[in-house]
Amino acid sequence: NAGVTQTPKFRILKIGQSMTLQCTQDMNHNYMYWYRQDPGMGLKLIYYSVGAGITDKGEVPNGYNVSRSTTEDFPLRLELAAPSQTSVYFCASKALSYEQYFGPGTRLTVT
Amino acid sequence: QKEVEQDPGPLSVPEGAIVSLNCTYSNSAFQYFMWYRQYSRKGPELLMYTYSSGNKEDGRFTAQVDKSSKYISLFIRDSQPSDSATYLCASPGNNAGNMLTFGGGTRLMVKP
Repeated sequence: NAGVTQTPKFRILKIGQSMTLQCTQDMNHNYMYWYRQDPGMGLKLIYYSVGAGITDKGEVPNGYNVSRSTTEDFPLRLELAAPSQTSVYFCASKALSYEQYFGPGTRLTVT
Repeated sequence: QKEVEQDPGPLSVPEGAIVSLNCTYSNSAFQYFMWYRQYSRKGPELLMYTYSSGNKEDGRFTAQVDKSSKYISLFIRDSQPSDSATYLCASPGNNAGNMLTFGGGTRLMVKP
């Protein structure tokens, strides 16, 4: 079991560029989440999904989009990258219980 | 007021010390609590979870919940340098997505 995997590990974007952060889990979890973590700060929820085809906004969704076409994959799309989106992005998943399991993160810098 | 609050630290202790990490929460609906450990440049790792009040022990770690004062604690006995990390407390709200509300984390440094 690989758990939750994320690609890429690191990325530098120029202002206005777009990219997709990939997240895959092999635990057959229905729930998946995207968080961002800024230096010295806690985790803020961007989007979440309760199953394939169902997504909803979290606390800080502006500037991001998601899709969930399969149980395994939950990509996060950044359109028109801005310096404020410089952060570490974590994907997480869970089954029916409350405990979420996190991926290793993607470090994104927008310059 | 944030729903879950933690002292950011850093908390510096000598190896072998007993460590107490604490969170306060404001939402009375919170029933279930989790502690995550996050090493530098890594993803959060689930350490322990506990439901309602009381203690739960797992090796050197004990999680304690006091619902009357809305206070949760994580105790680490015989602390090791490998325990140096940021510790995050979290609780799921009563919402459709079981979204977790996280504290800001406490950075712990255990010195040899």
